[in-house]
Amino acid sequence: DSGVTQTPKHLITATGQRVTLRCSPRSGDLSVYWYQQSLDQGLQFLIQYYNGEERAKGNILERFSAQQFPDLHSELNLSSLELGDSALYFCASSPTDRETYEQYFGPGTRLTVT
Amino acid sequence: TQLLEQSPQFLSIQEGENLTVYCNSSSVFSSLQWYRQEPGEGPVLLVTVVTGGEVKKLKRLTFQFGDARKDSSLHITAAQPGDTGLYLCAGIIVAGANNLFFGTGTRLTVIP
Repeated sequence: DSGVTQTPKHLITATGQRVTLRCSPRSGDLSVYWYQQSLDQGLQFLIQYYNGEERAKGNILERFSAQQFPDLHSELNLSSLELGDSALYFCASSPTDRETYEQYFGPGTRLTVT
Repeated sequence: TQLLEQSPQFLSIQEGENLTVYCNSSSVFSSLQWYRQEPGEGPVLLVTVVTGGEVKKLKRLTFQFGDARKDSSLHITAAQPGDTGLYLCAGIIVAGANNLFFGTGTRLTVIP
C-alpha cells in the first residue's frame, strides 16, 4: 500500500460524458501527478500540481483539467469523453516538486468509455 | 517516438535463469528510476539512481546507471515467478521540467 488513494476504482461511461477522478496523496506529500496508461501509449504524464498550484504539464488534452485543493487532494476532470480516452489513470504523489526522486502511485482508476 | 526505449519488450524465461533489461535514451537524465507494475495496480518504485556509473543492488536485482546518464540496465539473477510483472524505467531530464518520462516497458514472465 503506497498510501495514495484513488476513487473510483472502475468507471464506465458513454461518449460525450464528463467524469471526475479523485486522488488523495500520501500524508505530507505536497505534489500530485496524474498519468494516463493505455495499451498503445504506455504511461504518459498528464499534469503536476504542487501545494495547490499547477507546476508542470505533459500530454494533457484541452478536454481534461485538474486541480489540487487546500487539503491537497486532487481531481482530474475529463469531459467530452471519446472512446480513445479509455485507459488506466494513475495519480502519484511525492514530498516536493523539485528533485522528484521518488513518486508513489495509487492503485489507479480504470475508465471505460462506451 | 518514446524518450526512453526499453528492450526487450517481452521476456519469458524459466525459473532460475538470469536476465537483463535495458533502458536507453539519447537524452541525459538527472536521475533514473525503475518501477515494477503488476496487473491492475500502480507502478511500485524499486530503485533510484542518480550518479553516472552508479550500481545499486536490491537482493537479486542489480541496477546500473550509464556513465553518461543516458541509459540504465536491470539485471535479475535466478529469476523467480514472483518477479513476473511489467518493468518500467523512468527518468527526469536534465534542465527539463521535473516530471518523469516513462520507458516503453518490459513485460517479464517467469515460468515455474
